[in-house]
Order: sequence, then structure tokens, then C-alpha cells
Amino acid sequence: VIWMTQSPSLLSASTGDRVIISCRMSQGISSYLAWYQQKPGKAPELLIYAASTLQSGVPSRFSGSGSGTDFTLTISCLQSEDFATYYCQQYYSFPLTFGGGTKVEIK
Amino acid sequence: QLQLQESGPGLVKPSETLSLTCTVSGGSISSSSYYWGWIRQPPGKGLEWIGSIYYSGSTYYNPSLKSRVTISVDTSKNQFSLKLSSVTAADTAVYYCARRPWQLADGWFDPWGQGTLVTVSS
Repeated sequence: VIWMTQSPSLLSASTGDRVIISCRMSQGISSYLAWYQQKPGKAPELLIYAASTLQSGVPSRFSGSGSGTDFTLTISCLQSEDFATYYCQQYYSFPLTFGGGTKVEIK
Repeated sequence: QLQLQESGPGLVKPSETLSLTCTVSGGSISSSSYYWGWIRQPPGKGLEWIGSIYYSGSTYYNPSLKSRVTISVDTSKNQFSLKLSSVTAADTAVYYCARRPWQLADGWFDPWGQGTLVTVSS
């Protein structure tokens, strides 16, 4: 099983801030990583796959980077609609696993 | 536009079997390009992959749940289903169905159903 550690678990930020979320793997996964955004009471939505490829329709202020064991999700200029919880997911091997989540809250 | 919708009882008694169905609309579950999966999220907690199925019936299960899980597909109804046996309070969660590309190398989930809360309680 590949374990995933997301940090921080809680991030307080203001509109306009640059936000960076980290996802670290227990073993290398090449670039087989996705990022999701989840708002309260809603299903997760795919933001990024293959570590850095933006899903169609996702604003360009979101970006992903990394390979191997260390990955980041960056929101370049936080907007009000970006306050949510973010999850990473690896698909390098079964079982598919998710990080514990990072909640981005209003400072 | 592809849509997924979960359905099933919202309350299940301990030791019984949880049964949910995901209905796919706007596309065919028989597409050779996709697997169909179940993911759950206990209240206030993170996401856990349960398992996935191909239209042919080929399945992958999370080893942590494998002894209790059965996922099946009904291509005539464009549906796939989840059965989780011997449930306990720890199985209380929002259950989501979702689609993922058939190659593990493209194993992200998109789109997702809206989710359905299943509570295990007597």
C-alpha cells in the first residue's frame, strides 16, 4: 500500500494569497497523481491529473508539480470560490489511495 | 454529458448488507475505455477507494474491504452496484460512484456522482 501524507491539514489564507499544498508518497509513483477539490456537501471534482495536467475547465491559477515522492498543488491567487478541501490521489498501484486532505479556510 | 447517480437505503442495521446502485446516464457503461468505481467518505474524514469494475465484469477491490465487498455490473440497465456485507458503524459514510479511464496509468476519477449517505445503526 502506498501511503500519502498531505500537509498542511489546515491552511488559513486570504483572497489573493498564493497557496501551496504538499503531498508526499511512501514510495515513488512517477507522475501518477491527481488532485481534487471538494466543497462542503459536494462530491470531489478533478482539478489535475498526471501531476501537472489541468483538467478541462479548471482555472489556470491552479497548477501541479512534482514526480517521484513529492508533489505540490499551487493556487497562484486564491479566489473566494477556492475555499474548500483538497485531496491528492495516487494511481501508480492498487489499492488506489488518497491523501488525508487539506482544508483551505478564510483567514 | 455523463452523469452518475447513486441510489439505495440510507439506513442499514449492523451485521446486515449494504446495497447501492449507480445509474449512468449520458453515456454507455459498456464503453471499453472506462472502469466504474466506488469511493466512500466517513463523515468529516477522508476518501477511501472501495473497488472498481469493467463492463466485462473484471473487478479490483481494496484489500482492506475485499472479504466483504462485491461489485457487479448490469449493462442492460447501464448500472453497477455495490454490496458490502457484515456492516458496522465504521461503514457509515457518504458513498460515491465515479468513472475512471480503463488504464491504471490514467487512474483518476471523473466524473463523480453526488454521493449518498449510508448510516449503519440499529
